[in-house]
Amino acid sequence: EAQVTQNPRYLITVTGKKLTVTCSQNMNHEYMSWYRQDPGLGLRQIYYSMNVEVTDKGDVPEGYKVSRKEKRNFPLILESPSPNQTSLYFCASRWGQGSNQPQHFGDGTRLSIL
Amino acid sequence: GENVEQHPSTLSVQEGDSAVIKCTYSDSASNYFPWYKQELGKGPQLIIDIRSNVGEKKDQRIAVTLNKTAKHFSLHITETQPEDSAVYFCAASRGDGNNRLAFGKGNQVVVIP
Repeated sequence: EAQVTQNPRYLITVTGKKLTVTCSQNMNHEYMSWYRQDPGLGLRQIYYSMNVEVTDKGDVPEGYKVSRKEKRNFPLILESPSPNQTSLYFCASRWGQGSNQPQHFGDGTRLSIL
Repeated sequence: GENVEQHPSTLSVQEGDSAVIKCTYSDSASNYFPWYKQELGKGPQLIIDIRSNVGEKKDQRIAVTLNKTAKHFSLHITETQPEDSAVYFCAASRGDGNNRLAFGKGNQVVVIP
């Protein structure tokens, strides 16, 4: 089954404790992206990757890092999480680099930073 | 960059009635307009999309219309059912190279049985 898998689905942690949210897709998609979803603000892009070793900032990249060492994986790293990063996070992927291709989303990771 | 706005933010309809959600966009070069449905506890899922070379597209009970002159597009759901209750996001993009998909803030649709 074609899917985007995120782990963990839920995480409660404390300020400053490094964490990584993993994302994996099995569709051989070139493009992958991370979004955060907050009430009243919709989906905002954090980082995206056009291909292996090619990443770029989205609209809200501060406080986040990403890497793309393999085509299927695109982890989101919070080096020193803060309470304002408490949010619902989605990873997405699509075939090809054009933004007129359908995006496939994971089921989300709910992060709570205390 | 592209700015996409959705109205209304919340929409309640009686089961069987129609629901319409409207979005406006700012970039006249945008040419791809998808709609995503997000159910509780799930990620957004593409339900229909339209490209700027057509004015309307239909898929069973769902249709999308596009008015390029006025820079708005709408999602129409007919004969609504309880399973249509969800958050709906519209989006727009130029469809080329690095251009990203700009999402609206989402509409909560509630279908009342």
